[in-house]
Amino acid sequence: DQQVKQNSPSLSVQEGRISILNCDYTNSMFDYFLWYKKYPAEGPTFLISISSIKDKNEDGRFTVFLNKSAKHLSLHIVPSQPGDSAVYFCAATLGNDMRFGAGTRLTVKP
Amino acid sequence: NAGVMQNPRHLVRRRGQEARLRCSPMKGHSHVYWYRQLPEEGLKFMVYLQKENIIDESGMPKERFSAEFPKEGPSILRIQQVVRGDSAAYFCASSKSRNTEAFFGQGTRLTVV
Repeated sequence: DQQVKQNSPSLSVQEGRISILNCDYTNSMFDYFLWYKKYPAEGPTFLISISSIKDKNEDGRFTVFLNKSAKHLSLHIVPSQPGDSAVYFCAATLGNDMRFGAGTRLTVKP
Repeated sequence: NAGVMQNPRHLVRRRGQEARLRCSPMKGHSHVYWYRQLPEEGLKFMVYLQKENIIDESGMPKERFSAEFPKEGPSILRIQQVVRGDSAAYFCASSKSRNTEAFFGQGTRLTVV
């Protein structure tokens, strides 16, 4: 039962441009959403989060947007840098439960 | 403040052996999550524990897999009679409470030969 979906397995963008990573979810009861970044052979690291009562949260080059009616969230990275190349996971929590999407591999080309 | 510590980083087991994966959460964190990442796949939830209690094990295979988080010591994910399909990266995460970000360890890569 895939409650959190990232339908794009990969994304390639040019350095300096905007990267938009998308995530859809099915459970309207999720109350908190997070994005994690993962480099090869390392554990995921927390990037940014948003509560279900908000629709936008910004932290430097990273902005997360939440559209509850569409059950959709997105992560915007602008400007993209080569060091942003990694796998990005979105996650959603419901109470004590945290579920992850399958990840999107972002490649930022110099 | 050390991060989440997992050991070993790499573990090789023959089919039929037991694998024990350890996770020490961050100081002050009482919530531990275990995830498995199969090759070319995302993170799959396995089990959520608080000290001495299993809260949610809905992602755990029904047989051969068990987890604990004792009052003292690390959380242990135990896989009995390993099979080739158990080969994966196993990640542990800890958090201070619900609805706060979880911090991940570097994972244990299990290879079953």
